[in-house]
Amino acid sequence: LAKTTQPISMDSYEGQEVNITCSHNNIATNDYITWYQQFPSQGPRFIIQGYKTKVTNEVASLFIPADRKSSTLSLPRVSLSDTAVYYCLVGDIPGGYQKVTFGTGTKLQVIP
Amino acid sequence: GAVVSQHPSRVICKSGTSVKIECRSLDFQATTMFWYRQFPKQSLMLMATSNEGSKATYEQGVEKDKFLINHASLTLSTLTVTSAHPEDSSFYICSAPEGGGVRAPYEQYFGPGTRLTVT
Repeated sequence: LAKTTQPISMDSYEGQEVNITCSHNNIATNDYITWYQQFPSQGPRFIIQGYKTKVTNEVASLFIPADRKSSTLSLPRVSLSDTAVYYCLVGDIPGGYQKVTFGTGTKLQVIP
Repeated sequence: GAVVSQHPSRVICKSGTSVKIECRSLDFQATTMFWYRQFPKQSLMLMATSNEGSKATYEQGVEKDKFLINHASLTLSTLTVTSAHPEDSSFYICSAPEGGGVRAPYEQYFGPGTRLTVT
């Protein structure tokens, strides 16, 4: 399983764009990159997933450079409700269910 | 997206007793489910992989006789904490993957978690 490294914490003012970068130097060819959000006392919630280049959905964008050794989750115009822990996970075996291991995550604090 | 439920959401038990936590995939079948434990201000720690119709696979350091896992159907996995002690107090979360194969990698759907407090 590819290990991931993220900043432990980040602060941002409301309305700003937040970029959280994750390093995954040992990512394998079949691995996808997935980001989850977790609020206190809740299970993680899927945010976005990608393999390469850029992926965008209604809540976030995911930028993945060509070497795929890192990825950046971009949250546009954060609000107080975006205060949470964000986890970057790497892994998958197409057609199989690979267990995922959570890293430390990034605790994002949005300030009014 | 798919929904995974857990029951109960919160439980308090006395030391020495056993507690069962249920994890259900509500609108899809899950031959595999995962159980995690999360202590305050820490990340999720994978405890075991629950496999329908076969024995669970435990992570290193997790006592299989203490944390009994039963995956009796394609939509239900249970985790029983036997002879619970205060140090077992934690937030227990299950997840189930769906999808996979050619069309897309699978997604992990997480339950809302169960807060266990052992007094």
